[in-house]
Amino acid sequence: RKEVEQDPGPFNVPEGATVAFNCTYSNSASQSFFWYRQDCRKEPKLLMSVYSSGNEDGRFTAQLNRASQYISLLIRDSKLSDSATYLCVVNRAGGFKTIFGAGTRLFVKA
Amino acid sequence: DAMVIQNPRYQVTQFGKPVTLSCSQTLNHNVMYWYQQKSSQAPKLLFHYYDKDFNNEADTPDNFQSRRPNTSFCFLDIRSPGLGDAAMYLCATSSPLGPPNEQFFGPGTRLTVL
Repeated sequence: RKEVEQDPGPFNVPEGATVAFNCTYSNSASQSFFWYRQDCRKEPKLLMSVYSSGNEDGRFTAQLNRASQYISLLIRDSKLSDSATYLCVVNRAGGFKTIFGAGTRLFVKA
Repeated sequence: DAMVIQNPRYQVTQFGKPVTLSCSQTLNHNVMYWYQQKSSQAPKLLFHYYDKDFNNEADTPDNFQSRRPNTSFCFLDIRSPGLGDAAMYLCATSSPLGPPNEQFFGPGTRLTVL
């Protein structure tokens, strides 16, 4: 079993749709959680950090459930420019060991 | 602009011929990372430096080595590239003073092994 698991998709949605991605992690010692976005043949870029209280940045909402070891990302009012791969990232406590999920591909269509 | 720079962007080498990839940063971050990313897969951490303290991942092959001569530069040496080493190699940095382990990535070097 992989330490960080994501549904690979792809998710094909129309513009304006709401889409949710899920991620689970297996190491209960994990401390920090992030969503990164990666465009085709480009480097990953931080989309948002994920906090236990949940956090929102415009159309994007991230949630963390430590008890279930589960992270989610909700994108509202999808834009064509949201088409990308979304990577769930987990960092272990006490060090800099960073584990990436394999990513979920999103295609937003006009 | 402060950034992470990788050179070259594209590297072609022959099977077994040593190759060095370079990364530099103007962010003055303590931590530098090297990742390997194959097509449709997650970036896989190879190793990281905290200042000069080198941390190798247990499953990183011996074929991969790294050097960090100063804060700004970090090199990835592949001693004898095999066909399976063809991938995108990503360098990243982070600072212990910033948000926990927010990483800043360079544009990557795409390695082709012939």
